Amino acid sequence: GESVGLHLPTLSVQEGDNSIINCAYSNSASDYFIWYKQESGKGPQFIIDIRSNMDKRQGQRVTVLLNKTVKHLSLQIAATQPGDSAVYFCAETHFGNEKLTFGTGTRLTIIP
Amino acid sequence: DTGVSQNPRHKITKRGQNVTFRCDPISEHNRLYWYRQTLGQGPEFLTYFQNEAQLEKSRLLSDRFSAERPKGSFSTLEIQRTEQGDSAMYLCASRQSGGNYGYTFGSGTRLTVV
Repeated sequence: GESVGLHLPTLSVQEGDNSIINCAYSNSASDYFIWYKQESGKGPQFIIDIRSNMDKRQGQRVTVLLNKTVKHLSLQIAATQPGDSAVYFCAETHFGNEKLTFGTGTRLTIIP
Repeated sequence: DTGVSQNPRHKITKRGQNVTFRCDPISEHNRLYWYRQTLGQGPEFLTYFQNEAQLEKSRLLSDRFSAERPKGSFSTLEIQRTEQGDSAMYLCASRQSGGNYGYTFGSGTRLTVV
């Protein structure tokens, strides 16, 4: 079946550096993608989304890049802070489908 | 608005017992979702409601699982005859149709079946 996967299960980054979290998807019908952040003991928290008609979208300290040719998206976090330590999930769907399909997540650890 | 609220936060039950979880969505949100998350995995879709109507159910939702949203506000998820494999975090989320797909999750109910 279709799946969403992540390249790396863990990532450690020095505080103040930039981090990049990658995600591959296989469903060519997917046209909407979301990044979530999940801290320990909490539910996933929406970070940023992107539609398939875009290649890049920026938020506050975060940028999502979408490469539809290779079915890959990434989340860039600028100037990482200790509060950025969490598990990050990408999720995908297509318009008209209420179900989000999540990947297994990447654990980001910020080193002081 | 206090966000999506789930109760209880933790539930430990013996195998074979029934359990019920409650979700209170954001008040103006007409769509409500249930997901299940096991350790180290991403959330998996179980079911969703638009107002009081249950519009989609996952194959993960066996006959032992039932969800309701009787008045289109809060929702309950019941698991009958619990099994150890039911141990997971059960997450509820909500959003308003026509709005952002990035729905708001609650903090979940962690179920442990012993």
